[in-house]
Amino acid sequence: AQTVTQSQPEMSVQEAETVTLSCTYDTSESDYYLFWYKQPPSRQMILVIRQEAYKQQNATENRFSVNFQKAAKSFSLKISDSQLGDAAMYFCALGNSGAGSYQLTFGKGTKLSVIP
Amino acid sequence: KAGVTQTPRYLIKTRGQQVTLSCSPISGHRSVSWYQQTPGQGLQFLFEYFSETQRNKGNFPGRFSGRQFSNSRSEMNVSTLELGDSALYLCASSLVSGRGTGELFFGEGSRLTVL
Repeated sequence: AQTVTQSQPEMSVQEAETVTLSCTYDTSESDYYLFWYKQPPSRQMILVIRQEAYKQQNATENRFSVNFQKAAKSFSLKISDSQLGDAAMYFCALGNSGAGSYQLTFGKGTKLSVIP
Repeated sequence: KAGVTQTPRYLIKTRGQQVTLSCSPISGHRSVSWYQQTPGQGLQFLFEYFSETQRNKGNFPGRFSGRQFSNSRSEMNVSTLELGDSALYLCASSLVSGRGTGELFFGEGSRLTVL
């Protein structure tokens, strides 16, 4: 069975500062995807960033970047220049590759607060 | 392009009743997944449909069922409701391609309260 663990239930960051959210996972698959999803108080989940396991280069999307350590099964999210709109629940998720599987395993989430 | 649409957004039921939730995926998306979100258990996978066929099913009792129509719209049904079924039910659609990315596009959810 696949598992995703987010060890920080809550975190806070000062506006304009940098914060890192942690995620570890476990899977027996060699080819998989990792995601960070954001769920603002309005509830709609949106994709923040995606990492393909076979790619060694860490994914980056504007102020969001990941530190993907495949051997350690670690996938942390770094948010730079934090903004008030970044306040949300952040979920780390794991999915298998291949055209036949769109089932994601989610962590319990980290609630991020941004302090003005 | 319109996003994933879920109806109803909020509903209140009593124990023993049944409920049907609807999901319209993004145009062109043929895979629809359902997740249950609760404060205690987080996001749990219910089932996934593709081309009207259930491909995967999570660890939920048989009271939870679903289906997908030829236009990719999906419904899920929960029968004999229990208090523990109170949750946010999220629908997500995916664009199926040769190498699936697993990226899900979520709707805003249906908030079910069971009294």
